[in-house]
Amino acid sequence: KAGVTQTPRYLIKTRGQQVTLSCSPISGHRSVSWYQQTPGQGLQFLFEYFSETQRNKGNFPGRFSGRQFSNSRSEMNVSTLELGDSALYLCASSSQGSPDNSPLHFGNGTRLTVT
Amino acid sequence: QQPVQSPQAVILREGEDAVINCSSSKALYSVHWYRQKHGEAPVFLMILLKGGEQKGHEKISASFNEKKQQSSLYLTASQLSYSGTYFCGTSTGGGNKLTFGTGTQLKVEL
Repeated sequence: KAGVTQTPRYLIKTRGQQVTLSCSPISGHRSVSWYQQTPGQGLQFLFEYFSETQRNKGNFPGRFSGRQFSNSRSEMNVSTLELGDSALYLCASSSQGSPDNSPLHFGNGTRLTVT
Repeated sequence: QQPVQSPQAVILREGEDAVINCSSSKALYSVHWYRQKHGEAPVFLMILLKGGEQKGHEKISASFNEKKQQSSLYLTASQLSYSGTYFCGTSTGGGNKLTFGTGTQLKVEL
């Protein structure tokens, strides 16, 4: 099976712009979680989707949003970018109903740099 | 609230053992362990569930003390390939999110 695919791998954006990141989970996986990884904060949970519904949301401002499509592919959007949004954004899929009792399979991430 | 991992960093010689600890202030349902090598995605190592069930690689050993809300990952006879950052992720259950610790950097040298 193909792994979790995230596109693009790298992005450079300017403050105030918006960005959309894409994640294709492993075939058959219906749960998709998004994490922000920075050197100081580690892995911070953004949100989790299952069957097109957002089930959990982390403590991020409303500028961060996401959605999931019927084929389980997911996108996250960040509007009005700030310098502090520079980070590695990781997507992870899991095969079971909830990500707290089954392995997360991570993609290689999208490295976002905001200038 | 993030679980606390210790130590923050450790350097081993090949063949030595190490223990990485993860503790939470909340009652936990599950503890996950992942390893991330530089520039790569985190890779699943093990899940420990409340009640004693474990899922993961046979060569990985870990424990979960439900009373203390603590978990430990045991790395024995370390190899160069064990180098990386180890993260624990905890969940309070109910299909809830995983909250990750800030990681333990492990380096194995010859």
